Amino acid sequence: DQQVKQNSPSLSVQEGRISILNCDYTNSMFDYFLWYKKYPAEGPTFLISISSIKDKNEDGRFTVFLNKSAKHLSLHIVPSQPGDSAVYFCAAYPTGTASKLTFGTGTRLQVTL
Amino acid sequence: EAQVTQNPRYLITVTGKKLTVTCSQNMNHEYMSWYRQDPGLGLRQIYYSMNVEVTDKGDVPEGYKVSRKEKRNFPLILESPSPNQTSLYFCASSAQGPRYGYTFGSGTRLTVV
Repeated sequence: DQQVKQNSPSLSVQEGRISILNCDYTNSMFDYFLWYKKYPAEGPTFLISISSIKDKNEDGRFTVFLNKSAKHLSLHIVPSQPGDSAVYFCAAYPTGTASKLTFGTGTRLQVTL
Repeated sequence: EAQVTQNPRYLITVTGKKLTVTCSQNMNHEYMSWYRQDPGLGLRQIYYSMNVEVTDKGDVPEGYKVSRKEKRNFPLILESPSPNQTSLYFCASSAQGPRYGYTFGSGTRLTVV
């Protein structure tokens, strides 16, 4: 049972445009959400996070939006750069547990010139 | 350099032959975790540890064992590997807990024939 879903396996965006990566979750106990970026032959690296008490968090070109009522979050990258080409995972952390971080299936972003 | 080191990076083994994948971190992190990555399934948590001698099962613990005898090391043990354990494995650590972000190792690609 996939509690964190990324329904788009891949996305292609032109350099300079906005990339929007989506993530849906089913467990209402999730109260913290994270995005990770993964290049081939490397481990995932932490990108940005958001607490459920917020609906937006910004860090440079990266913004995460959270819609709790829809159980949906999205990562916006503006402007997209070729170096952003990677697989992006969203992850969710439930309240009341110590270390159980659940990841989505990932979306491969390709930023073209 | 602060890092999580996994060994080996690549391993091909035969069904039933016990193996250990080592994981070591030099950041004095309390939290450590093992994930496996499979196509279409994303990253799934195998085991996690909140401190020395404190471990718990993740979502897919069957066929795996872990130990945390010292803070820096968190080996993953496959007592009797089977082909369905062929996967890409990642070790991760965190100082304050995964809601603040994990630091991942570079991965171990395991093939069981």
